[in-house]
Amino acid sequence: DAGITQSPRHKVTETGTPVTLRCHQTENHRYMYWYRQDPGHGLRLIHYSYGVKDTDKGEVSDGYSVSRSKTEDFLLTLESATSSQTSVYFCAIRKTSGANTGELFFGEGSRLTVL
Amino acid sequence: EDQVTQSPEALRLQEGESSSLNCSYTVSGLRGLFWYRQDPGKGPEFLFTLYSAGEEKEKERLKATLTKKESFLHITAPKPEDSATYLCAVQASPGTASKLTFGTGTRLQVTL
Repeated sequence: DAGITQSPRHKVTETGTPVTLRCHQTENHRYMYWYRQDPGHGLRLIHYSYGVKDTDKGEVSDGYSVSRSKTEDFLLTLESATSSQTSVYFCAIRKTSGANTGELFFGEGSRLTVL
Repeated sequence: EDQVTQSPEALRLQEGESSSLNCSYTVSGLRGLFWYRQDPGKGPEFLFTLYSAGEEKEKERLKATLTKKESFLHITAPKPEDSATYLCAVQASPGTASKLTFGTGTRLQVTL
């Protein structure tokens, strides 16, 4: 168990509406990530965070914003959802204690459908 | 640009029929190569990290190996519960943010 909770797990929304996905961790890890997974593309990094209020863009960040006001929570916001943002979104954490220093551990995913 | 290519896209094996999955990569300095398993409707589950050519890691029926251009995931005498999608990812250096580049995966089905 990676100690990651994503919410909501499923959401259907309409084009143009704002959507926020939440990732909550219980172990106070510094690094958190948002990926999206689409058929034929694999997992692609949207944004990541390396501390409270410290975030940076990934390869597919257009149309997304993130916030991290507490260590345990990393929020992904779609300001105005589009059909191209229909996807499965995964949150991940990086555990840096002990011998494992680069591996990411993933949540169960949030399936978003934009109609 | 870092690239990861996995082959085959899909593989069907009978129980006990050993095989290998391939992960070819192009990266500007490899910091680590990662293997994950993903079951339908679930998040990826970490399996192995390999850091340098010649390194090998084993876990039950799985063995991962690494060369300078590719990695193999060998599956020995697979069972139906090994059915899943197997993902490969690379982390390039320099950088400490663990930004991983993923392949599109190999979907493995093991039948009785």
